Formats: sequence, structure tokens, C-alpha cells
Amino acid sequence: KAGVTQTPRYLIKTRGQQVTLSCSPISGHRSVSWYQQTPGQGLQFLFEYFSETQRNKGNFPGRFSGRQFSNSRSEMNVSTLELGDSALYLCASSWGTGTYEQYFGPGTRLTVT
Amino acid sequence: GESVGLHLPTLSVQEGDNSIINCAYSNSASDYFIWYKQESGKGPQFIIDIRSNMDKRQGQRVTVLLNKTVKHLSLQIAATQPGDSAVYFCAEKDDYKLSFGAGTTVTVRA
Repeated sequence: KAGVTQTPRYLIKTRGQQVTLSCSPISGHRSVSWYQQTPGQGLQFLFEYFSETQRNKGNFPGRFSGRQFSNSRSEMNVSTLELGDSALYLCASSWGTGTYEQYFGPGTRLTVT
Repeated sequence: GESVGLHLPTLSVQEGDNSIINCAYSNSASDYFIWYKQESGKGPQFIIDIRSNMDKRQGQRVTVLLNKTVKHLSLQIAATQPGDSAVYFCAEKDDYKLSFGAGTTVTVRA
């Protein structure tokens, strides 16, 4: 069974721009969670989607948003990029919401200059 | 702040020895914990989990111990191999999400 895939793997953007990251969960998994990983803050929860609905949200500004499609694929968007948004963005899938055995993708490395 | 943390940021282990990675948590109501391994350039990889109704759980070469009295979690790796070099995170079910500790970097010496 294929694992979680994320595209693109690397991205360089300029302050003020926006970016969209994509995540395809493991086949059969319906929940996708997004995390931001930085050296200073570690892994922090952004949000979770299940059945095309955002179920939970972490403490991030409204510039961070996401969505989920009917095939469970998910995208996250960051608008008006700031230097501090430079991070590894990870998505994790699980079979259902409230299921914490989550499987992570390789991440998208975002660099904001 | 984070409710889950690891005692040591780094651990150096001789190949073939057993490794013990520790984690302390603060929420006594936490009922589910996971250990993840993250290799350079990769996402965290699920290693093993444990629920609060258990004290010990074993996997392939790994054992997780949970001491609810002192709110302590540990991961034991038997016969550590070079491929075990990575950052290890404990994660705690925190309401509707997982909360991660800062991680311990394990380096295996040949």
C-alpha cells in the first residue's frame, strides 16, 4: 500500500506571496492532519480534515487554511507569507477522525525569502 | 507550552547496545501515546503506541514502557543498529490532536 505523498517536496517563495501544498493520504484513510515543524517550535498541529470538513484547528493565524476533497486528498494554503513561515509542513493520515495512529508523509520544505 | 517533552536532546549509543529514550508528560489524563522516528529528510515514522491501560508494549526490537504514577514514557531499542540513528519523538493524545515533544537525536557509533 502506498504511503502518504506530499507535493511539492521543496518550495521557495518570497514574502507576501501565497503557497498551496498538497497531500494524498494512504488509500482508505479519510482523515488528514497538517503539522508545521520548525527547529524552534518542533511539531505543531495546524488542522485536521475529515470528510471534507475541518474538524479541528490549532493556534495558527487565519493566513493558514486548508481543504479536503471527496477523494480525501487535502491541500493547505498559506497566504501573505512571512519569513517565520519557513518550515517543514507535514501531513499525516489516519483512517478516521479521532484516530491518533497517524502516518506521516515526507513533508514539504518551504523557504520564505 | 508543550505538555510532552524528552529528558535529553541527544543520545550517543554504541552499535549493538540497547538504547533507552525517555519522555515526561504533564497531563495525567492523557490516555494514548506514540513514539515516532524521524530520519533526515523524511517525515516521522510510526514506531509503536501504547494506551494508558497498559504498562508495557513490545514490538520488533522496541519496547515502550509507561509509568503513569510519575508520568513517564520510555522507548527501549534492543541491539541498536546504524539504521536506528534518527530523531525520536514521543507524542501524546491531547484532546483532538497529537502533541509532540522536542525530540531526542540518537547517534549510533560503529
